[in-house]
Amino acid sequence: GENVEQHPSTLSVQEGDSAVIKCTYSDSASNYFPWYKQELGKRPQLIIDIRSNVGEKKDQRIAVTLNKTAKHFSLHITETQPEDSAVYFCAASWGGGGADGLTFGKGTHLIIQP
Amino acid sequence: DAGVIQSPRHEVTEMGQEVTLRCKPISGHNSLFWYRQTMMRGLELLIYFNNNVPIDDSGMPEDRFSAKMPNASFSTLKIQPSEPRDSAVYFCASSPRDRTYEQYFGPGTRLTVT
Repeated sequence: GENVEQHPSTLSVQEGDSAVIKCTYSDSASNYFPWYKQELGKRPQLIIDIRSNVGEKKDQRIAVTLNKTAKHFSLHITETQPEDSAVYFCAASWGGGGADGLTFGKGTHLIIQP
Repeated sequence: DAGVIQSPRHEVTEMGQEVTLRCKPISGHNSLFWYRQTMMRGLELLIYFNNNVPIDDSGMPEDRFSAKMPNASFSTLKIQPSEPRDSAVYFCASSPRDRTYEQYFGPGTRLTVT
């Protein structure tokens, strides 16, 4: 089955600086890579995703890059703000024509220092 | 537009008791997923349904766990008998017909088994 590794487990950055979270996956058949943000006591919320036919996707201050050859993908947050503080999870799935369950990384606790 | 609805939000029960968690997916979504979140194991897929049919239940930890989806707008996850190690947050998620890979999570049920 799929295995997703996520690093670092904790990341502390100064407000206004950039944050990068990295994930690797094991199953070359995986084609869909979402990122979820989870605030304390809340549900995971989908913030951005990428499919294997593109190498990069951007949405305002967040971007995701994918390297299918190396089987790794990354989340980039620029100009970090206090409200970016949360736990971020990467995930992978087949993402083909039918539904498929997500395999999650263990999460990164992002702390934005004022 | 209402999101995924789960009930109860909190459940405290004694070991050996039966527990039933409930989920109403987003209207029009045809895939439904049950996940469990713990500090030790992170977010794990338990089972998922497509068009009310169970597709993959390989994540269900033991025979004590069962899930049903009698119609497109309702699903249950039952634990019988419950054990302290079942204590976790249980999330339900659903995905739309035209983007089966995008999963939207409910608020979760925090289960405590004493």
